[in-house]
Amino acid sequence: DAGITQSPRYKITETGRQVTLMCHQTWSHSYMFWYRQDLGHGLRLIYYSAAADITDKGEVPDGYVVSRSKTENFPLTLESATRSQTSVYFCASSESAGALRGSEAFFGQGTRLTVV
Amino acid sequence: AQKITQTQPGMFVQEKEAVTLDCTYDTSDPSYGLFWYKQPSSGEMIFLIYQGSYDQQNATEGRYSLNFQKARKSANLVISASQLGDSAMYFCAMREGGHTPLVFGKGTRLSVIA
Repeated sequence: DAGITQSPRYKITETGRQVTLMCHQTWSHSYMFWYRQDLGHGLRLIYYSAAADITDKGEVPDGYVVSRSKTENFPLTLESATRSQTSVYFCASSESAGALRGSEAFFGQGTRLTVV
Repeated sequence: AQKITQTQPGMFVQEKEAVTLDCTYDTSDPSYGLFWYKQPSSGEMIFLIYQGSYDQQNATEGRYSLNFQKARKSANLVISASQLGDSAMYFCAMREGGHTPLVFGKGTRLSVIA
């Protein structure tokens, strides 16, 4: 199906384990983003990518790793999960850069991650 | 530094009334875009409306309009004729020029009362 999909939708993992959240988009959008949503904090940017093999840190990158070898995929890896990384994670993509019309981001359904 | 500020954690509105959700922003870039998103209880993020910094007119999309006051750096969302289905979290966001990401405020929870 066309669009942006995240997997898994729900994940429970143990402290210290590595976990990867997947994000796939079919629009060939250049820009992709990872956000985490926590109560009282809104959506905070973890990492973003302007194109394949180009990634940049956002507001809260510590403890996370991203890669973008293909335009359509943007996986997010928690190298050693901590309880503070319990959150809802959203992946998003956009076609255009910056402030242009058409630069709105389209979001995946989210992944609810619990670290125990 | 906080770039997007939404000062209303929660709002109530009577069905069929209009409601304004506040958003102020901070940027020194003359080129920027402002966005509003809706997040219902089901969790998905739905794009509602866009306003460009150079747009002369306020953006409108159906019952949604954006009250853009550039000098005050405010971009308030106005929902006319509220419906029960409008109950949700609403997020204001901004994107500056160039290869920049979308930055969000903390959101406002709107509850529409019958």
